[in-house]
Amino acid sequence: QKEVEQNSGPLSVPEGAIASLNCTYSDRGSQSFFWYRQYSGKSPELIMSIYSNGDKEDGRFTAQLNKASQYVSLLIRDSQPSDSATYLCAVIWTGNNRKLIWGLGTSLAVNP
Amino acid sequence: EPEVTQTPSHQVTQMGQEVILRCVPISNHLYFYWYRQILGQKVEFLVSFYNNEISEKSEIFDDQFSVERPDGSNFTLKIRSTKLEDSAMYFCASSPDSYEQYFGPGTRLTVT
Repeated sequence: QKEVEQNSGPLSVPEGAIASLNCTYSDRGSQSFFWYRQYSGKSPELIMSIYSNGDKEDGRFTAQLNKASQYVSLLIRDSQPSDSATYLCAVIWTGNNRKLIWGLGTSLAVNP
Repeated sequence: EPEVTQTPSHQVTQMGQEVILRCVPISNHLYFYWYRQILGQKVEFLVSFYNNEISEKSEIFDDQFSVERPDGSNFTLKIRSTKLEDSAMYFCASSPDSYEQYFGPGTRLTVT
């Protein structure tokens, strides 16, 4: 059974701080990794994808992948109240027709 | 910026009735998906569709479910005889390359 695990939180950070979100996955045969943001009652919104070990930066967001340790993380710099949402980690495994397997998500609260 | 659209936004139906959920994927995308999310639970894969046929379906996607792409733009999910446990948010997603998947706003299905 392939699993994606996230700490459900809530993670609370002050405005302007760095928020660090983590995700672990169960199978080394994983291929592609994604972070989605989901506001309450809304659909997941793709914010980052990462495919190889190391860091990938996009604006205030940095995704980090370590396949040997089977974790992927998301850093949000200069956190804003509008970043308050649930952050979902999703994984595509090799050979599974590219379906996303999801974590439960980490709830982030950025306090003004 | 092109978006995935879904209709209706909310559907209330009685147990045993048929429902059709509609999606218009992003126009140049080739891969289409349906996911669902029961309140408070993980997003779950239902089915993927490529080249006018199902690529993969989950255990949830039993004989009560079907998908169609009746014309060049719409992508539909039909549930033939709804059950109480089908109550969930249903999300359509599309992808240009089967990796990055972009989600529509969802249809909230309530079965009474």
